[in-house]
Amino acid sequence: DTGVSQDPRHKITKRGQNVTFRCDPISEHNRLYWYRQTLGQGPEFLTYFQNEAQLEKSRLLSDRFSAERPKGSFSTLEIQRTEQGDSAMYLCASSFTSGKVNEQFFGPGTRLTVL
Amino acid sequence: DAKTTQPPSMDCAEGRAANLPCNHSTISGNEYVYWYRQIHSQGPQYIIHGLKNNETNEMASLIITEDRKSSTLILPHATLRDTAVYYCIVRVGGNAGNMLTFGGGTRLMVKP
Repeated sequence: DTGVSQDPRHKITKRGQNVTFRCDPISEHNRLYWYRQTLGQGPEFLTYFQNEAQLEKSRLLSDRFSAERPKGSFSTLEIQRTEQGDSAMYLCASSFTSGKVNEQFFGPGTRLTVL
Repeated sequence: DAKTTQPPSMDCAEGRAANLPCNHSTISGNEYVYWYRQIHSQGPQYIIHGLKNNETNEMASLIITEDRKSSTLILPHATLRDTAVYYCIVRVGGNAGNMLTFGGGTRLMVKP
C-alpha cells in the first residue's frame, strides 16, 4: 500500500503525559498537513510543511504542540503535557504541489484518548 | 476561503441518485469548489473539484450554477458504501491552495 500511513492508530494516555505521532506521506509528495478532528466535527487544520519547512500554523496549535519534518519525508506531531481536551483524531495528509488538482490524500488517523 | 452551507443530513435509496447541495454565496473568482467525503473511521477522501464548468469523474458529477453561488454533487447510483459525511469546501486551487477548511458537512445515509 503506497498511501499515507500513520502510527499509532490508537493512543491512550494519562493527563500530563507527552505523546508523539508519526506520519509517513506518499513518497513523492512535498506537502504534508496535520489536522485534528473531534467527535461530530469536521477536521480542523493545525499546520503544514512544504518539504522540511513548516510554512503555516493554526492558532489551534498551542505551545504544547510541536511538529517536525526533519528530512522532508515523514513527520512527527508531539503533544506535551496532554490535557483531556486534546482527545481527538489526528489526521495527516499529503499532496504534490505540481499536481493540477493539489488533492490532499489523508491517512487513517491516530485516535488519542487522554484520561 | 469562502464559507459553505450544507444540510446536516440526507437520506437516499440504494441505486438512486444522491444530490448533495452546497451554498457558497461569497465565493471569489479564483476559488474552486472541492468535495471530499469521510467514511466512518477513515480519513477524508477527495471526490471532485471544479471552478465554473460542470465536472464528471468516475465517482461523481459536480454541477456549479452559472453565478457560482451554489453547487450540487451528484452520486448517480448510490450504494451502501457511499454512506459517509460529504464536505463541500471552497478554496484557492492549484499550487496556491494550502489547508482545507472543513465545515460540518452532510451526513448521507444510503438505505437499502
